[in-house]
Amino acid sequence: DTEVTQTPKHLVMGMTNKKSLKCEQHMGHRAMYWYKQKAKKPPELMFVYSYEKLSINESVPSRFSPECPNSSLLNLHLHALQPEDSALYLCASSLGLAMYQETQYFGPGTRLLVL
Amino acid sequence: AQSVAQPEDQVNVAEGNPLTVKCTYSVSGNPYLFWYVQYPNRGLQFLLKYITGDNLVKGSYGFEAEFNKSQTSFHLKKPSALVSDSALYFCAVRDNAGGFKTIFGAGTRLFVKA
Repeated sequence: DTEVTQTPKHLVMGMTNKKSLKCEQHMGHRAMYWYKQKAKKPPELMFVYSYEKLSINESVPSRFSPECPNSSLLNLHLHALQPEDSALYLCASSLGLAMYQETQYFGPGTRLLVL
Repeated sequence: AQSVAQPEDQVNVAEGNPLTVKCTYSVSGNPYLFWYVQYPNRGLQFLLKYITGDNLVKGSYGFEAEFNKSQTSFHLKKPSALVSDSALYFCAVRDNAGGFKTIFGAGTRLFVKA
């Protein structure tokens, strides 16, 4: 199983809403990532978890709150977002052992629209 | 600092013709280079990577890439393009200073015309 799943596929939310994005993998990977991607642009790294601990936070606003409850699951909690946060949010995972050489496997993404 | 450049925003090729999508890199130390493809409204799919060894790397869907150290290039190639290859292609390098970061090029949109 080389699949990363993400739910929901689409999400529309108001600026006062609270919502969560979910990502799951069962490949035994110990590194998991959140990326934000605007249309026709490369993905931008937001957060990296390694062995369920937050390793990298790329100066992301606090209205985005990641959570890694276990080695297979990664959540991104959203609160008080702005319209400019509308984007495709991608989750990825990698083995987490030989980092430089490792392939990242991406989920299909959640398309978020903030009204 | 590590970086990758994809000099072409768009590449157009006729079906059945060979295709090349260009990528150049700048790294300190050994480069760990990747190609990903993204179809509309989808996540990125891994195509191939260069870690060490043979300069010609073979990947998924008939794609290959040639690593050229002297020219610091890692161009993606396919001998015969298909309409279904039309997509957005990203070259990427792993940040060997930290390991977890992947630095993506700006992307090249490939159009294959029937």
